[in-house]
Amino acid sequence: RKEVEQDPGPFNVPEGATVAFNCTYSNSASQSFFWYRQDCRKEPKLLMSVYSSGNEDGRFTAQLNRASQYISLLIRDSKLSDSATYLCVLSDDYGQNFVFGPGTRLSVLP
Amino acid sequence: DGGITQSPKYLFRKEGQNVTLSCEQNLNHDAMYWYRQDPGQGLRLIYYSQIVNDFQKGDIAEGYSVSREKKESFPLTVTSAQKNPTAFYLCASSTDSVSAETQYFGPGTRLLVL
Repeated sequence: RKEVEQDPGPFNVPEGATVAFNCTYSNSASQSFFWYRQDCRKEPKLLMSVYSSGNEDGRFTAQLNRASQYISLLIRDSKLSDSATYLCVLSDDYGQNFVFGPGTRLSVLP
Repeated sequence: DGGITQSPKYLFRKEGQNVTLSCEQNLNHDAMYWYRQDPGQGLRLIYYSQIVNDFQKGDIAEGYSVSREKKESFPLTVTSAQKNPTAFYLCASSTDSVSAETQYFGPGTRLLVL
């Protein structure tokens, strides 16, 4: 089983839609969780950290379920500019090992 | 402005040639990392360094070498032993490992084989 798995995508949604991505991980020792976005041919950029209690940043909501070992990202009221690949990233207790998921591509259509 | 820079943006390698990719950061971060990304795939760790003069192999270190003589610099050499070097190379840095801070990436270098 791969360390980090994500919805295969691509997701093609109309503007204004709500879309959710899931990510599952196999290492129960993982301590820190993040969502990054990566635009085509660009570097990944931190979108948001994911906290145990769940957290929200504008239209974006992240959830963590340690018992089931998955995290999710919900995007409300999708914009054209949300089109990108979304990467699920974990690190261990010591912050030394960052593991990246393969990413889920989102295309928001006019 | 603080950040991570990588150069060059594009690099062409001839068969049998060693090439070096530059990565510099002025964020005062202790840890630095090199990743490789192939089309449609996730990032794979090549090498990482937690402190000056120390570095560790990642998952795909064969055919690559690094040095960490200065805190702000972590160059990656792609040697002739790397048979399939065409990829997007990303350098990242983070604060000390205890705080489990997230990583920040440079703009990347695209390496192409002639």
